[in-house]
Amino acid sequence: AQKITQTQPGMFVQEKEAVTLDCTYDTSDQSYGLFWYKQPSSGEMIFLIYQGSYDEQNATEGRYSLNFQKARKSANLVISASQLGDSAMYFCAMRERYNDMRFGAGTRLTVKP
Amino acid sequence: DTEVTQTPKHLVMGMTNKKSLKCEQHMGHRAMYWYKQKAKKPPELMFVYSYEKLSINESVPSRFSPECPNSSLLNLHLHALQPEDSALYLCASSQDGRSGNTIYFGEGSWLTVV
Repeated sequence: AQKITQTQPGMFVQEKEAVTLDCTYDTSDQSYGLFWYKQPSSGEMIFLIYQGSYDEQNATEGRYSLNFQKARKSANLVISASQLGDSAMYFCAMRERYNDMRFGAGTRLTVKP
Repeated sequence: DTEVTQTPKHLVMGMTNKKSLKCEQHMGHRAMYWYKQKAKKPPELMFVYSYEKLSINESVPSRFSPECPNSSLLNLHLHALQPEDSALYLCASSQDGRSGNTIYFGEGSWLTVV
């Protein structure tokens, strides 16, 4: 069974600084996908970034990058140059083989002005 | 803007009511999902439809009944719900069920059972 762990219930960051949100996972599958989503208070789950288990390079999408360390089974999200609008819940998720995506407990990020 | 549309955004229903949540996507995706999310918790998978067939039911009580009329539509029929069923219900879709395909979510339907 897959398991995703986010050990930081809450994080604070100063505006314009970088922040790293931690995620570790456990799976016995060789093929899997790792995802990060942002959920503002409005409720919508916004897809941020994806990393495939066979991808050798870390994924990047604008200010978001995924620090993928396969041997350690970690997939940390790095947000550079934080903005006030980045304040939200962030979920790490994993998808093994077919269909089911499971989520970590989430990290609430607060960006301070 | 999300390309997965959910209606209604907010629903209040009594325990004896019958209501439905609706979801639509026009991305040509062949997998659609229902997730339930309680406050301060991650989303929990309820149902998966793959090519219009129910492929996963996560032991959801029968008072929740999914329906996939066609590849673009997904409904969740609600009957005889309990107050503890109050939650955010998220619909989502992906190209298909493979692990590399991103799942895209709608804005959710906030359900309150009174």
